[in-house]
Amino acid sequence: GEDVEQSLFLSVREGDSSVINCTYTDSSSTYLYWYKQEPGAGLQLLTYIFSNMDMKQDQRLTVLLNKKDKHLSLRIADTQTGDSAIYFCADPNDYKLSFGAGTTVTVRA
Amino acid sequence: DTGVSQDPRHKITKRGQNVTFRCDPISEHNRLYWYRQTLGQGPEFLTYFQNEAQLEKSRLLSDRFSAERPKGSFSTLEIQRTEQGDSAMYLCASSPTGQINYGYTFGSGTRLTVV
Repeated sequence: GEDVEQSLFLSVREGDSSVINCTYTDSSSTYLYWYKQEPGAGLQLLTYIFSNMDMKQDQRLTVLLNKKDKHLSLRIADTQTGDSAIYFCADPNDYKLSFGAGTTVTVRA
Repeated sequence: DTGVSQDPRHKITKRGQNVTFRCDPISEHNRLYWYRQTLGQGPEFLTYFQNEAQLEKSRLLSDRFSAERPKGSFSTLEIQRTEQGDSAMYLCASSPTGQINYGYTFGSGTRLTVV
């Protein structure tokens, strides 16, 4: 299966942490990805995690992977106004990426 | 190399007209992908090229859609007899062979509005 599900909206105060959650069904993926899409723009690869890892930290970003539950999360520390965007998790199946519907993150002052 | 380029950025067309979009991938990438994204949804896979060979087409790609990559470099996506349901963002992406694991590089997309 290639279904990827995400919560649709998240509102966070500037300076707080954001946590975006994702569940996926294809457990054979070697990697899982997070993409960011700003209004009217294409997708930017934000980070990825190997499937044999539980956690990956990259500056303000922390990715957590629970393979047993097929759950992926992205934490953004010290959320800034520039982090307002749509965030997609993506599960590769060979050369194809399956995307969730995206989580719209709104950062309020 | 400035990344994946798509042209035009926006296209408004009347129902029934034909439209063609162009994608220029990163030059050393031999894989090229087309995705479609409708409002409020994530991108959906349409088709994929390895060099000039089109290796897979999604069932989303009806007979009115055709994609080419004649010399294994740039690609075109043509939609014939456009319908209002074709209104969407069309995204192109590229990757080197075997490095899907590092994700694709996406272009900025072509937003199609059929009126």
